[in-house]
Amino acid sequence: NAGVMQNPRHLVRRRGQEARLRCSPMKGHSHVYWYRQLPEEGLKFMVYLQKENIIDESGMPKERFSAEFPKEGPSILRIQQVVRGDSAAYFCASSPPGGISYEQYFGPGTRLTVT
Amino acid sequence: DAKTTQPTSMDCAEGRAANLPCNHSTISGNEYVYWYRQIHSQGPQYIIHGLKNNETNEMASLIITEDRKSSTLILPHATLRDTAVYYCIVRVAVGSNDYKLSFGAGTTVTVRA
Repeated sequence: NAGVMQNPRHLVRRRGQEARLRCSPMKGHSHVYWYRQLPEEGLKFMVYLQKENIIDESGMPKERFSAEFPKEGPSILRIQQVVRGDSAAYFCASSPPGGISYEQYFGPGTRLTVT
Repeated sequence: DAKTTQPTSMDCAEGRAANLPCNHSTISGNEYVYWYRQIHSQGPQYIIHGLKNNETNEMASLIITEDRKSSTLILPHATLRDTAVYYCIVRVAVGSNDYKLSFGAGTTVTVRA
């Protein structure tokens, strides 16, 4: 059973370009979470999605950031018009359908560098 | 949201037990305590979780006080590969049956030979 997959692992963008980060959850998992980790800082929750639904986006910046988890295919975190402050590691995690007790499985992350 | 407090850092000798404390004095009755770790720049790795009872798995043991206001993660025989940032997290409810994890700063554990 393959783990959570993220691609690309490293992404370099110039200021003003768009960045698209992909996350394929573990097989059978229908919940996806995105986190951002700035250099030398802890993980910050961004958004929680289920298939075709955004459950909680309280951690998403109000502008330029969007996320989706379509019925088919990976979850996408999209950052428009990137700025240097967007440089960070972006981690995706997945978990199985709702339950009282479950853990999130994390992918290896995408390291975004904005030049 | 229940917040957690952990020491910023701690050292541990290789082969000895590492005891990592965590305070969560505002935890409510149905909130779980989760522990994750992050080795260097890798994705966080799940370690263990619990509600009221002590828990043990192949990686660690989790001791939760009777009042649930604090817990201790025990790595029974620390190795150099256990050097990592360890996060104690109280899972946050989102709606009636959905949850998210809110990471704090964690404890940087350095295992020394």
